[in-house]
Amino acid sequence: DTGVSQDPRHKITKRGQNVTFRCDPISEHNRLYWYRQTLGQGPEFLTYFQNEAQLEKSRLLSDRFSAERPKGSFSTLEIQRTEQGDSAMYLCASSFPTRVFGQGTRLTVV
Amino acid sequence: GENVEQHPSTLSVQEGDSAVIKCTYSDSASNYFPWYKQELGKGPQLIIDIRSNVGEKKDQRIAVTLNKTAKHFSLHITETQPEDSAVYFCAASRGSGNTPLVFGKGTRLSVIA
Repeated sequence: DTGVSQDPRHKITKRGQNVTFRCDPISEHNRLYWYRQTLGQGPEFLTYFQNEAQLEKSRLLSDRFSAERPKGSFSTLEIQRTEQGDSAMYLCASSFPTRVFGQGTRLTVV
Repeated sequence: GENVEQHPSTLSVQEGDSAVIKCTYSDSASNYFPWYKQELGKGPQLIIDIRSNVGEKKDQRIAVTLNKTAKHFSLHITETQPEDSAVYFCAASRGSGNTPLVFGKGTRLSVIA
């Protein structure tokens, strides 16, 4: 597989529940980015990793959000105690150096 | 921090005509400017990019121009086709693209057959 893979593609959850998304980057890409995209807007940066090190976190990334990239391979993004405002498309991208985006995970909080 | 403004928000053109989308950025340290195409239900796909050491880049029907002094860059699509219909995003970053991108709000392009 030569693309960035995200799982699941869609997630519907009840408010207050925890959710976790997974991103599998292109194997030789050492940088991995998470973005959030709401309807009618451009992607907004959340956080990024170089290998296993988390280099930067946006102010958008509240305490309820956590991201990991163990062993510098796949990454997970967890949202605890989901709120309706968390409903969005969560995009993962990897780069070395050209950035390639995955198809995204669409989260709906009801 | 960086702020990227994109215009217009919607654009309709007749098939075969040209389309131009413009972006301005605020951070003079930005040096990498990609353009992405996003189709419904899909992630953004890079279509062309330009670095601050060049003023213009072309790839078949797509071209990008950069004016560093004015801090604006534009996407030009010639001989538009219905399959060009999508949302287009401009973005900017420092570090030659190795730092997080700041995106514009997007332009919805409709090519009318």
